[in-house]
Amino acid sequence: DAKTTQPNSMESNEEEPVHLPCNHSTISGTDYIHWYRQLPSQGPEYVIHGLTSNVNNRMASLAIAEDRKSSTLILHRATLRDAAVYYCILRDPGGSQGNLIFGKGTKLSVKP
Amino acid sequence: SAVISQKPSRDICQRGTSLTIQCQVDSQVTMMFWYRQQPGQSLTLIATANQGSEATYESGFVIDKFPISRPNLTFSTLTVSNMSPEDSSIYLCSVRPRDNQPQHFGDGTRLSIL
Repeated sequence: DAKTTQPNSMESNEEEPVHLPCNHSTISGTDYIHWYRQLPSQGPEYVIHGLTSNVNNRMASLAIAEDRKSSTLILHRATLRDAAVYYCILRDPGGSQGNLIFGKGTKLSVKP
Repeated sequence: SAVISQKPSRDICQRGTSLTIQCQVDSQVTMMFWYRQQPGQSLTLIATANQGSEATYESGFVIDKFPISRPNLTFSTLTVSNMSPEDSSIYLCSVRPRDNQPQHFGDGTRLSIL
């Protein structure tokens, strides 16, 4: 399985933008880049995903490098509720199972 | 998005006993999965619950220890058999409604074994 590398932890101030990096140098052409987050005492929730182009939704933006070997999840204005562990995951929907395999993620702390 | 209900939400069990965790989804879904999250760790995929056939287990997980049922497109169970303290974890049900859609997760079953 293609793997991702994320910083163990990051800190942000409330109402400031947050850029969460992810390296995936062994990504294949059919791997989608998915981001999930897990708030304390909850199951993971979907944030965003993309293949090649940058993506925006109501929660976040996903910036994908031109060579696809890295990506950045952007929270435009962090709130206290955004404190969570953020997981960057590669998934090939056409793979043998195409399952989500979680790494260690980045624990984001948001200071008021 | 699919709404997932897991029962029980938590339990404390004696070693050597078994517990069955139920996962109910409010709509029919293509794929259902079971994950384990040990204390302070990330999620590990246990198996894919296949409707009408045996589950597909990941390396390190076996059917005798974690039997899984999936009788229809909205329901699955995971049994943790012959429990030991090492099985103390959060067990999460996850679904993918259609093949190219995001996965959704329940809030998990927090299991402690004494």
